Amino acid sequence: SQTIHQWPATLVQPVGSPLSLECTVEGTSNPNLYWYRQAAGRGLQLLFYSVGIGQISSEVPQNLSASRPQDRQFILSSKKLLLSDSGFYLCAWSWTASEAFFGQGTRLTVV
Amino acid sequence: AQKVTQAQTEISVVEKEDVTLDCVYETRDTTYYLFWYKQPPSGELVFLIRRNSFDEQNEISGRYSWNFQKSTSSFNFTITASQVVDSAVYFCALSEALSGNTGKLIFGQGTTLQVKP
Repeated sequence: SQTIHQWPATLVQPVGSPLSLECTVEGTSNPNLYWYRQAAGRGLQLLFYSVGIGQISSEVPQNLSASRPQDRQFILSSKKLLLSDSGFYLCAWSWTASEAFFGQGTRLTVV
Repeated sequence: AQKVTQAQTEISVVEKEDVTLDCVYETRDTTYYLFWYKQPPSGELVFLIRRNSFDEQNEISGRYSWNFQKSTSSFNFTITASQVVDSAVYFCALSEALSGNTGKLIFGQGTTLQVKP
């Protein structure tokens, strides 16, 4: 069966510090991978998606970047965090046109 | 443009009541998929159901049922005999074939359901 791991679960970072969130998927190959962000009390917004190694598409302009160095690894990064980067970040995977399965999320607070 | 609207921000019911969560979508695509997810307090999104645009048959799974009506662009979710464990945020989502089968999801804003004992 497939599983998705995302870490850390919570993170408090000062403004201007770097960020690296990691997500890995097990039990499948060549999945579509996604990073979503959920601001407090709001819906989920797609930040990045990837259909293959090294292929990253950005949905919204922002202070963040994503990379996919391996087939089942997806990393969300920032060189300098802003207060507005605070939120709940969710990694997800899917096969083409199927339902997406989500990780447990990372709650990021930028102070 | 594609859009998902969940007009009910919060719903509060007493245990054993039936409750319907509304979802209205907009899309220009003729092939699309609709989803419902549950987000308990732990934060993880739990997949509940997927429907494709060519299948308007309603579905029932235990206490859960879904009503898909293309004529009104709605995909409503009903919980029968609600329980406290049903308390969560529920999201409706849309994925379009026009997106090139990338599986990108467009989410509604979510409905917070509180079931009181």
